[in-house]
Amino acid sequence: GAGVSQSPSNKVTEKGKDVELRCDPISGHTALYWYRQRLGQGLEFLIYFQGNSAPDKSGLPSDRFSAERTGESVSTLTIQRTQQEDSAVYLCASSLTRVWAKNIQYFGAGTRLSVL
Amino acid sequence: DAKTTQPPSMDCAEGRAANLPCNHSTISGNEYVYWYRQIHSQGPQYIIHGLKNNETNEMASLIITEDRKSSTLILPHATLRDTAVYYCIALSNSGYALNFGKGTSLLVTP
Repeated sequence: GAGVSQSPSNKVTEKGKDVELRCDPISGHTALYWYRQRLGQGLEFLIYFQGNSAPDKSGLPSDRFSAERTGESVSTLTIQRTQQEDSAVYLCASSLTRVWAKNIQYFGAGTRLSVL
Repeated sequence: DAKTTQPPSMDCAEGRAANLPCNHSTISGNEYVYWYRQIHSQGPQYIIHGLKNNETNEMASLIITEDRKSSTLILPHATLRDTAVYYCIALSNSGYALNFGKGTSLLVTP
């Protein structure tokens, strides 16, 4: 089936505005992850959803960042009162939850966020 | 998760084998070595992983030293499409956060 789908692919916003990023995981993948990648840098973990368990939000950089997931499907990452340092590519990934497969993550193409 | 160290960049001629090293001297017994790559403007792509035995799949081979302190990813016949940043990480089955560092930027030349 289809891979991980993210929208929008690009988002330009003004400082102080709120933005919402969307992720559609691979069907049947109950684990979902959000990452951030600043220009020229590696990946930075943000949040992990696993089925109906409480999400691991330990990577969220501030309380301006939040994420929700509807059941085992779509997830949205919301950034409130955006700042210029929020400019980055936001990547979503999904995986099976079996122990041996959990770290084989399939990534979307990302949303490139530019805060002016 | 154990820290990994990779060279910042490497070149390889098209059709030759690309050997990408990774040091993970503090790896613990339950940590696997994972390799991902990221082609420009795309999301990361899983390549291969292993614990202590050498592994091979349709994309690459992974050679892990007997003491597990280092490993090498081998792309047997590199193509121009293999030009990408390659990331090596050590992660246990209880972990899941892929916190990549800078990785190795591989340039495959004609």
